[in-house]
Amino acid sequence: SAVISQKPSRDICQRGTSLTIQCQVDSQVTMMFWYRQQPGQSLTLIATANQGSEATYESGFVIDKFPISRPNLTFSTLTVSNMSPEDSSIYLCSVDTGGTDTQYFGPGTRLTVL
Amino acid sequence: GIQVEQSPPDLILQEGANSTLRCNFSDSVNNLQWFHQNPWGQLINLFYIPSGTKQNGRLSATTVATERYSLLYISSSQTTDSGVYFCAVEQQGGSEKLVFGKGTKLTVNP
Repeated sequence: SAVISQKPSRDICQRGTSLTIQCQVDSQVTMMFWYRQQPGQSLTLIATANQGSEATYESGFVIDKFPISRPNLTFSTLTVSNMSPEDSSIYLCSVDTGGTDTQYFGPGTRLTVL
Repeated sequence: GIQVEQSPPDLILQEGANSTLRCNFSDSVNNLQWFHQNPWGQLINLFYIPSGTKQNGRLSATTVATERYSLLYISSSQTTDSGVYFCAVEQQGGSEKLVFGKGTKLTVNP
């Protein structure tokens, strides 16, 4: 298994600003993932972040809006840029620990944009 | 891409009742996981079960990969079982990406 922490746990932001969310894992992992969960909805994958390479974005998500960093095997950041109220969501990071390919999720960052 | 359908979308039970949640998927999978999202938003791994049957206390799960469905059984439900249950699959050749169903919202009343 893996222990994952995220910062901040929640935030309220003004439209037009940006927020950077941090994800820290207690062990080295190859693949990290960022998901968005809009209110009352399921989870949607934003991008896959591998250390040492550019993140791979899913359809509908672009790097200018959601830049991602992955400086080492235990840490990643997701920035939500130029926010609008439609960006109000829970943002979750997850890791693939290999072996059984089980994914584990962080506690999430609850973002509200006014 | 692969489609994941969960049923029922909502379920209300009295404490002590049993229930079965279903997950249908449209293509072959490498990975299937069941998660419980508690009221605070935390996603908890319940089972990694691309095939076969597993049990963990009052919960058990069965995946019939050849027929492309999985079932999650909850016995003797408790109020703490309330929340949303998600099924997520990784399509074969899908680079470890999980595709989530829309979830089953379970409410267990005392």
